[in-house]
Amino acid sequence: DTAVSQTPKYLVTQMGNDKSIKCEQNLGHDTMYWYKQDSKKFLKIMFSYNNKELIINETVPNRFSPKSPDKAHLNLHINSLELGDSAVYFCASRKGGGNEQFFGPGTRLTVL
Amino acid sequence: DQQVKQNSPSLSVQEGRISILNCDYTNSMFDYFLWYKKYPAEGPTFLISISSIKDKNEDGRFTVFLNKSAKHLSLHIVPSQPGDSAVYFCAASTTSGTYKYIFGTGTRLKVLA
Repeated sequence: DTAVSQTPKYLVTQMGNDKSIKCEQNLGHDTMYWYKQDSKKFLKIMFSYNNKELIINETVPNRFSPKSPDKAHLNLHINSLELGDSAVYFCASRKGGGNEQFFGPGTRLTVL
Repeated sequence: DQQVKQNSPSLSVQEGRISILNCDYTNSMFDYFLWYKKYPAEGPTFLISISSIKDKNEDGRFTVFLNKSAKHLSLHIVPSQPGDSAVYFCAASTTSGTYKYIFGTGTRLKVLA
């Protein structure tokens, strides 16, 4: 059983399109995160939700919008995709009171 | 401004020898540090962590050392095995507030058989 899963694993799309990446965790964790790993392999936090409430919102273009329908899911919607959005996006989750984050396998987004 | 730095992008070590991966940080508010291991096309997996109240934590072949005055931590793997070949990321966070991780840029370890 995959603890943190993401769909799709690969996403290739044209500039200007709108796309979504989904994340689900079956660990019962309270907090979920989105990270972006760019071409320089730098892993950077984008957003975090705790029990469906946004708690971290880094300096990210407002074309990116996270949505948490329940505490097991955190989806990422991206509008008007740009070439610079090409990256690997990782979802992660953390148990309340715990320090370790558990990561999903990543979604490689390629914008043409 | 990169608050967590891994200055060695790659490291090669012979099987059976010690691997030492280094990480430096600048923010003295960080009080919890973690190492993650990442294989290609997979997400990072948690390896070992250390709180700032300790200077060493050991788990099997893996030991993390923390030098708060130097704002430096290191991961020792001994003995190194070919399966340890991966990219290793260190991360730092504060245990109050949002538990936001700041990651280093990673060190690619290659263990030669």
